[in-house]
Amino acid sequence: NAGVTQTPKFQVLKTGQSMTLQCAQDMNHNSMYWYRQDPGMGLRLIYYSASEGTTDKGEVPNGYNVSRLNKREFSLRLESAAPSQTSVYFCASSDRAGDEQFFGPGTRLTVL
Amino acid sequence: DQQVKQNSPSLSVQEGRISILNCDYTNSMFDYFLWYKKYPAEGPTFLISISSIKDKNEDGRFTVFLNKSAKHLSLHIVPSQPGDSAVYFCAASGWGGATNKLIFGTGTLLAVQP
Repeated sequence: NAGVTQTPKFQVLKTGQSMTLQCAQDMNHNSMYWYRQDPGMGLRLIYYSASEGTTDKGEVPNGYNVSRLNKREFSLRLESAAPSQTSVYFCASSDRAGDEQFFGPGTRLTVL
Repeated sequence: DQQVKQNSPSLSVQEGRISILNCDYTNSMFDYFLWYKKYPAEGPTFLISISSIKDKNEDGRFTVFLNKSAKHLSLHIVPSQPGDSAVYFCAASGWGGATNKLIFGTGTLLAVQP
């Protein structure tokens, strides 16, 4: 039971490049989330998917797109990376509203 | 506008003593509060939660207190251990309807000195 897995663990991009961060959960959870963590800013929600087939914007969605591929997988895409997107990205999942969220180990992204 | 605030960026405590981490919130619609613990290079892990219908929840060495009138919650760790050294985030939900969106504070770095 791996929980929430994320790939890659580390990535360096040049400004303007694109990439997709992958996330998968094996807990049969309905809801999935993408956060970014920056120093002094806590965890900020980028996008979330309350259930398979739905996605919604969070607090900081600009510059990102998401795809809920199936119940297990939720990907985050940067179409044209910018230095302001240098951050640590966390994926999380939860079963029901009000339940705790389970987090993946994170992806450390640097945009030069 | 920070809806969940952790005003102490860091806290240092001696091993065996009590650690008290504080969190304030502004949105009275929040009805569920959680604490997460985060070690470096790892994802946050759930620690303890409390519903707005309670004012205290205990789990071993960890107790969370909720003061709804003051819009304040605190996490008590007794006794503190060196392994408790981590960043602690408080989070709140309930705003926005049925979707399980959490609003996180900025975190408090706890250092427990041996």
